[in-house]
Amino acid sequence: DAGVIQSPRHEVTEMGQEVTLRCKPISGHDYLFWYRQTMMRGLELLIYFNNNVPIDDSGMPEDRFSAKMPNASFSTLKIQPSEPRDSAVYFCASRARGTQYFGPGTRLTVL
Amino acid sequence: GDSVTQMEGPVTLSEEAFLTINCTYTATGYPSLFWYVQYPGEGLQLLLKATKADDKGSNKGFEATYRKETTSFHLEKGSVQVSDSAVYFCALSPSNDYKLSFGAGTTVTVRA
Repeated sequence: DAGVIQSPRHEVTEMGQEVTLRCKPISGHDYLFWYRQTMMRGLELLIYFNNNVPIDDSGMPEDRFSAKMPNASFSTLKIQPSEPRDSAVYFCASRARGTQYFGPGTRLTVL
Repeated sequence: GDSVTQMEGPVTLSEEAFLTINCTYTATGYPSLFWYVQYPGEGLQLLLKATKADDKGSNKGFEATYRKETTSFHLEKGSVQVSDSAVYFCALSPSNDYKLSFGAGTTVTVRA
């Protein structure tokens, strides 16, 4: 199994630009989670899906953030417009048998 | 709400030293407990887990025992290697939810 796949691994963009992060969960996992990791706040849960349906988006910081899961094998996290304070590592994780498995993350830098 | 508190780092050790990272939790019911490890530049990897009281999780020489009486899940390794240098996260998943609550992470550096 390839594990959770995220792309891109690194993204550098300018303030105001739209950013789209992508995630492919492990096949057969029915939960998908998006996290953000910063030095100041540690790991924060942004949103999670069950069977492609958003269940809890209370961690999404602002309306600039949106997430979709159009099918069981793909999810996106979009930031529009991006701001320097969005700079962080964004992780996707999928869950099965009570355990979450994390992707390698996308390091986002907003200049 | 549910939360995890783990000892602050950084922790610096010599090879073959004994490692303990303390983790305590606050939760209602019977949460599942986890240790994740993050190597430099990588995502989080599950190290071990325990789902009920007195369970012991173990992997790669690491162990942790779910102690409900002390609400603790301390991580131990008897003889660390340079390759164990990483950030270690304690986490819990409530019995009635699918979220993970993470501790702040403990950075461990092992010197040769």
